[in-house]
Amino acid sequence: QTVVTQEPSLTVSPGGTVTLTCASSTGAVTSGFYPHWFQQKPGQPPRALIYSTSNKHSWTPARFSGSLLGGKAALTLSGVQPEDEADYYCLLYYGGAWVFGGGTKLTVL
Amino acid sequence: EVQLVESGGDLVQPGGSLRLSCAASGFTFSNYWMHWVRQAPGKGLVWVSRINTDGSRTTYADSVKGRLTISRDNAKNTLYLQMNSLRVEDTAVYYCARVKSGSDEWRDPWGQGTLVTVSS
Repeated sequence: QTVVTQEPSLTVSPGGTVTLTCASSTGAVTSGFYPHWFQQKPGQPPRALIYSTSNKHSWTPARFSGSLLGGKAALTLSGVQPEDEADYYCLLYYGGAWVFGGGTKLTVL
Repeated sequence: EVQLVESGGDLVQPGGSLRLSCAASGFTFSNYWMHWVRQAPGKGLVWVSRINTDGSRTTYADSVKGRLTISRDNAKNTLYLQMNSLRVEDTAVYYCARVKSGSDEWRDPWGQGTLVTVSS
């Protein structure tokens, strides 16, 4: 069974920078996994932030960026704002099926 | 305005059945692959299933294969999830989501979800 692993929780100070990662149990994550990133706040459905590793949607704030880092997909937030406190999920494609990571709870403190 | 509205969630006993619907509007439904994603209370997102634009191809997560069936009616702009042999672990909010055909881009917005509770 394929497992996608994210940091369970991270804490960052307002204005700081933080990187969330997304690893695959099958090996290195590449662009062929079409990494996506979603943000979810309590009581709300997920919202898409990044697709195909590093592409932003029109509504994605500029402070969010996606990349591949050391065999993992990565989401970097630069200049974190209090409203960025949320759960973040990565999503990877496995040739037909998709698998979400377990999510990272980001606290802005 | 793009809208996805899920419905059909309910309280059902283990072993029971349920059919979820996702009504789509504001976009050309038949141009999109559609997915179901679920989220158990207090837990993370889990991909469940997907269907191609004309309904001829479907894919399922291993945990639901043989019990859940995805389908669509492009004339009614509606996505379905037939849920049989339900288990306690199927308890979750079920969301539908769309991906433009020919791309991998999961699009916003998602619906608000519909809650399925499997309990005796």
